[in-house]
Amino acid sequence: DVVMTQTPVSLSLAIGQPASISCKSSQSLLGTSGKTFLNWILQRPGQSPKRLIYQVSKLYSEVPDRFSGSGSETEFTLKISRVEAEDLGVYYCWQGTHFPLTFGSGTKLEIK
Amino acid sequence: QVQLQQSGAELAKPGSSVKISCKASGYTFTSYDISWIKQTTGQGLEYIGYINTGSGGTYYNEKFKGKATLTVDKSSSTAFMQLSSLTPEDTAVYYCARSVYWGQGTLVTVSS
Repeated sequence: DVVMTQTPVSLSLAIGQPASISCKSSQSLLGTSGKTFLNWILQRPGQSPKRLIYQVSKLYSEVPDRFSGSGSETEFTLKISRVEAEDLGVYYCWQGTHFPLTFGSGTKLEIK
Repeated sequence: QVQLQQSGAELAKPGSSVKISCKASGYTFTSYDISWIKQTTGQGLEYIGYINTGSGGTYYNEKFKGKATLTVDKSSSTAFMQLSSLTPEDTAVYYCARSVYWGQGTLVTVSS
């Protein structure tokens, strides 16, 4: 199975500060279709996960543009340009290129 | 809008089985696969498998073969997951998901 390694484990940031989360995979996530199925989701406290980014850098329509994703092959990054209070929760990367789908262990974002 | 409504929490004894439901609405049920994901504090998010809601075909993560059985009832737009031979290690929140939409989760507690 593809191992997804996320760092850091946690972040404590003040509102307005930038955030950066790293996600590394044990195998290339570039699929035979030429697409890279690396995605990000956010799980707020007491809620189920919600979609954020798909195929490395594509934001879902409801996601604010302060979020961005980048990377290729085995190294990926989620960035928040300016953290807001509603951004607290646990961020997970997950890959859909290889079965079984696998998830990172999560990065907990706390607001100072 | 897409909604996945899961059944309520379950308390089960070791060795028994439980069957969780996931009722879909807001889209054509048979047009999308339904996946199931396990979430625990220790192991994080684990992909169990998916069912093709049109054909009933299934894919299971090797780790969950023999543990989980996925079925659907097209007439009620409902997917089911049965967990058998329960042990305390099966205690978790289980989510159904349609691509990027997640149900609210079902807590299964296995305890004597």
